[in-house]
Amino acid sequence: KAGVTQTPRYLIKTRGQQVTLSCSPISGHRSVSWYQQTPGQGLQFLFEYFSETQRNKGNFPGRFSGRQFSNSRSEMNVSTLELGDSALYLCASSPYTGEDTQYFGPGTRLTVL
Amino acid sequence: AQSVTQLDSHVSVSEGTPVLLRCNYSSSYSPSLFWYVQHPNKGLQLLLKYTSAATLVKGINGFEAEFKKSETSFHLTKPSAHMSDAAEYFCVVSDQGGKLIFGQGTELSVKP
Repeated sequence: KAGVTQTPRYLIKTRGQQVTLSCSPISGHRSVSWYQQTPGQGLQFLFEYFSETQRNKGNFPGRFSGRQFSNSRSEMNVSTLELGDSALYLCASSPYTGEDTQYFGPGTRLTVL
Repeated sequence: AQSVTQLDSHVSVSEGTPVLLRCNYSSSYSPSLFWYVQHPNKGLQLLLKYTSAATLVKGINGFEAEFKKSETSFHLTKPSAHMSDAAEYFCVVSDQGGKLIFGQGTELSVKP
C-alpha cells in the first residue's frame, strides 16, 4: 500500500498570506490528523478529521482550519500567516477515529518570511 | 492528563555499542505508548507500540522497549548501534481520544 502523501513538500510564503496544505491518507484509512513541529514547541496536535467531521482539536488559534473530503483526503489552511507559523506540518492517518496507531507522511515544510 | 518526558535530549554512542533512550510517562489510565523515529527531513516512522499484551515490545530494526508500570517508564533499547540509527527518537503516549502526545525528542548520534 502506498503511504501517506503530502503536497507540497516545501512552501515559502510571506506574512499575511494564507496557505493550503494537502494530505492523502493510506488507502482505506478514514481518519486524518495534523501536527505542527517546531524546534521550540516540538510536535503539537492541531486537529483530527474523520468522515468529513472534525473530531478533535488542539490549542491553536482559529487561523488554523481544516477539512476532509468524501475520499478521506484532507486539507489544512492557515490564514494571515505569521513568522511563528514556520514549521514542519505533518499529517497522519489511521483506519478509524480514536485509534491511536497513526502513520505519518513526510510533511510539508512551511517557511514564512 | 497524559504526558511523556524524555530524559535525554541528546545521546551519543559508538557503532556496535548498545543504545538506551529513556522515557517516563504519566497517565491516569493504562496507556498506549509508542516510539517513533524521524530521520533528517523525513516524516515519523513507527518503531514499536505497547498496548498491554506484553511488557517487552519488539519493534523494527532491532529495537525493543520495556514497559515498567512501577517505574512509569518505557525505555527504548538496541543491543548494537548502526550508523543508520542516527536520527531523532520520540516517545509518545496517546490520550483516550487517540490524540498523540509527544515527548521533546532524543537525538541519537552514532560515531564510527
